[in-house]
Amino acid sequence: SQQGEEDPQALSIQEGENATMNCSYKTSINNLQWYRQNSGRGLVHLILIRSNEREKHSGRLRVTLDTSKKSSSLLITASRAADTASYFCATGANSKLTFGKGITLSVRP
Amino acid sequence: EPEVTQTPSHQVTQMGQEVILRCVPISNHLYFYWYRQILGQKVEFLVSFYNNEISEKSEIFDDQFSVERPDGSNFTLKIRSTKLEDSAMYFCASSEWVDYNEQFFGPGTRLTVL
Repeated sequence: SQQGEEDPQALSIQEGENATMNCSYKTSINNLQWYRQNSGRGLVHLILIRSNEREKHSGRLRVTLDTSKKSSSLLITASRAADTASYFCATGANSKLTFGKGITLSVRP
Repeated sequence: EPEVTQTPSHQVTQMGQEVILRCVPISNHLYFYWYRQILGQKVEFLVSFYNNEISEKSEIFDDQFSVERPDGSNFTLKIRSTKLEDSAMYFCASSEWVDYNEQFFGPGTRLTVL
């Protein structure tokens, strides 16, 4: 089964606007993590939310988790051009992460 | 800030050759992982490693693949006889523990099999 499917696939916003990205999954998880990847580069860990948590903040990032709906959202507030990247959700169960296909975020200056 | 490092950044090899990809995980981390990302596709889990043993592996991680922690700092992925479809970016990751711990990724090794 597929896990960590994000939507939308691509998002283009103006600098200063908020960006909301969603992730859905199918099986039980221990945690859900969001990562950023700049083109051709490595994965940068953004935030982890545990299965018993509902919301978490880190700087301009806000993550929610609804285990009853098996979904999560990542909100980036006051976006900057430097936020342009691909964003992935990854569900954690046992020792592995299962990644989605990612969302391409473009922030126009 | 401690980080995961990987060498080389780019490896080009001929089909059928053996390659070894190297990683230095974050020093106090106990769990180590390899993932790969074929161009334009999802990041896929290959294997996790703890206490000098494989904890979990995916279907991709067949007999052509092996992992080793040859000393106290390095963690390696060996592909015994490379195939064209092994061309991908290979990421090493480490975490302090499992379950509720963040996995921190290295910058990746781009493997090109000709």
